[in-house]
Amino acid sequence: DAKTTQPTSMDCAEGRAANLPCNHSTISGNEYVYWYRQIHSQGPQYIIHGLKNNETNEMASLIITEDRKSSTLILPHATLRDTAVYYCIVSVSTGGGNKLTFGTGTQLKVEL
Amino acid sequence: NAGVTQTPKFQVLKTGQSMTLQCAQDMNHEYMSWYRQDPGMGLRLIHYSVGAGITDQGEVPNGYNVSRSTTEDFPLRLLSAAPSQTSVYFCASSYRGGLETQYFGPGTRLLVL
Repeated sequence: DAKTTQPTSMDCAEGRAANLPCNHSTISGNEYVYWYRQIHSQGPQYIIHGLKNNETNEMASLIITEDRKSSTLILPHATLRDTAVYYCIVSVSTGGGNKLTFGTGTQLKVEL
Repeated sequence: NAGVTQTPKFQVLKTGQSMTLQCAQDMNHEYMSWYRQDPGMGLRLIHYSVGAGITDQGEVPNGYNVSRSTTEDFPLRLLSAAPSQTSVYFCASSYRGGLETQYFGPGTRLLVL
């Protein structure tokens, strides 16, 4: 699986959009981009995933560049409860299921 | 649904002791996995299972055994605990299908003295 690069930490004001970048320059054509988050001491939580096209769900939007070498997770109106570590993961689906490899992620701190 | 449950929540062991970390899910998921998370690091895959009776090794399998006799349960066994196994352990499950998301349990915090 390809590796990802994320900033170690970011701050965001409550109510503003949080834009979390991720570089995955060695991504393969059949690899998806997944985003998970981990709120302090809890198990990771799925947010969103995509292959080429931009995706949106009730939690966030995922913007993938045309060359697929980078992506941005957007939390449109960040709240204090969005403070967490956000993991960008690229993974190919195999017969063995999604064996996700987590890096160290981005610590997002949402402040008043 | 209870989702993914793990027991115990916290455990202290002495070096050389054995124990089993329990994981259960009630979502009829085929895939189940065990991860460990050390301070300042991301999660690393220990073992996984694609269905009852089938298990395989992940990134860091040494020192751990697993079995999958039922769809619901996926216990992780430490035969002889070592201080290097001090960590937080997460169990996860997902429905058959490559793009299905994984659901994680609340974790077990293990301290080996």
